Order: sequence, then structure tokens, then C-alpha cells
Amino acid sequence: AQRVTQPEKLLSVFKGAPVELKCNYSYSGSPELFWYVQYSRQRLQLLLRHISRESIKGFTADLNKGETSFHLKKPFAQEEDSAMYYCALSGLTKAAGNKLTFGGGTRVLVK
Amino acid sequence: EAGVTQFPSHSVIEKGQTVTLRCDPISGHDNLYWYRRVMGKEIKFLLHFVKESKQDESGMPNNRFLAERTGGTYSTLKVQPAELEDSGVYFCASSPGTQGWGYNEQFFGPGTRLTVL
Repeated sequence: AQRVTQPEKLLSVFKGAPVELKCNYSYSGSPELFWYVQYSRQRLQLLLRHISRESIKGFTADLNKGETSFHLKKPFAQEEDSAMYYCALSGLTKAAGNKLTFGGGTRVLVK
Repeated sequence: EAGVTQFPSHSVIEKGQTVTLRCDPISGHDNLYWYRRVMGKEIKFLLHFVKESKQDESGMPNNRFLAERTGGTYSTLKVQPAELEDSGVYFCASSPGTQGWGYNEQFFGPGTRLTVL
């Protein structure tokens, strides 16, 4: 069974401080990992995906297959980063159908 | 271009009543997904349409839930009869392309908040 775990429900950081959101997953196969973000009064949107290996809004995430982790990091948090962040995975097979499995989410508050 | 739209934005009904949620995907998107987030829990997959066909309905909780996608365009999700535990936010998402492997980004609607009293 596939599962995504985000151990922190709430992360409070000061502006300018580094922020790291933890995500661990379990999946029998090769998944694709994502971070989705939901800003206040906005819809859920894709932040980044591991395959693209991009840095979006200063955020990066590295897939560690050995530790089955996909932690999200930003060296200097900004007030506009305050939002709800969801880690998610999708199977890379036709049978998986691209459905997303989400973690419970981490609320980030930048003070 | 308009994004994914959902109607209503909020619905309050009594236990035992029927509610129908609607989702209009981005024009031309073959794939349509329903998810829901029950209070305190993670967002969970309900089902996946490819055009008008149900590709995967493994996440549908029980037979009180019925989803349709008329003509491969908009989709409805009917809950009949509604129970207290059905309260939550129901999200719809769509993505381009036909069924295959390799991920196509899913674009989410704003969600419908369902409250069952």
C-alpha cells in the first residue's frame, strides 16, 4: 500500500530563517513525488515535482530513495511562504492512473 | 483560461438528504479526479474518469456515492443519503492527455465544503 507521512502538522519559523518540511513515503515501485501548496483563500497548486529537479520560489526538494524521503527546504523563509503544504506521490505506471496519494499536510507560519 | 470550477462552494444539509456536487474541468482535459478531505484527515482519492469512463473508483467509500461524467465534460458526485461522516471538502482536479503512464499535472478546483448536520 502506498502512504505519505508528514510528521509535522504545524511549523512556525521566523522570516529569514531556514525551513524544512519533512515527508516520508512508502510505495512498492518507483513513485513520482510532489509538493503541493495551498495559500490562504486559494486553490491547491503544484509547487514542484522531483522529476523536474527545479527550484520554485526558492524551494527545493531532493528525493532520497534510501530513506524514502522527499523533504522540502528553503534557506530563507518569507512571509508569503505561509501556507499549507502537502507532499504527494503518484505511481509511474498505467495501472496507477496518476492518482495522487497525499500526506496530512504541514501548515507553515512565517513570523 | 478558466480553471477547474466547482459548484456549490459550500453545502449544508441534514443527515439523510441528498446532495449533488458538480465539477467543470479545464476545457479539453480528458482526466478528471475527485478527492476529499475529511476533517483532521489527509486528502484522499475517490475516483478517476478518463473522458466519460470510470478508470479507477477504488477510493469511493461506499455505494451512497455515485459519480458521473456526462459526455466526458463536467462531472457530478451525488451522495445519497448523506451521513455525518461525509462532511468535508470535496476537490475536483483535471489533467490533459489520455490515460497512460507518466504524470500529467493535475489542476485543482477550489473545492466544495460539505457539512452534514
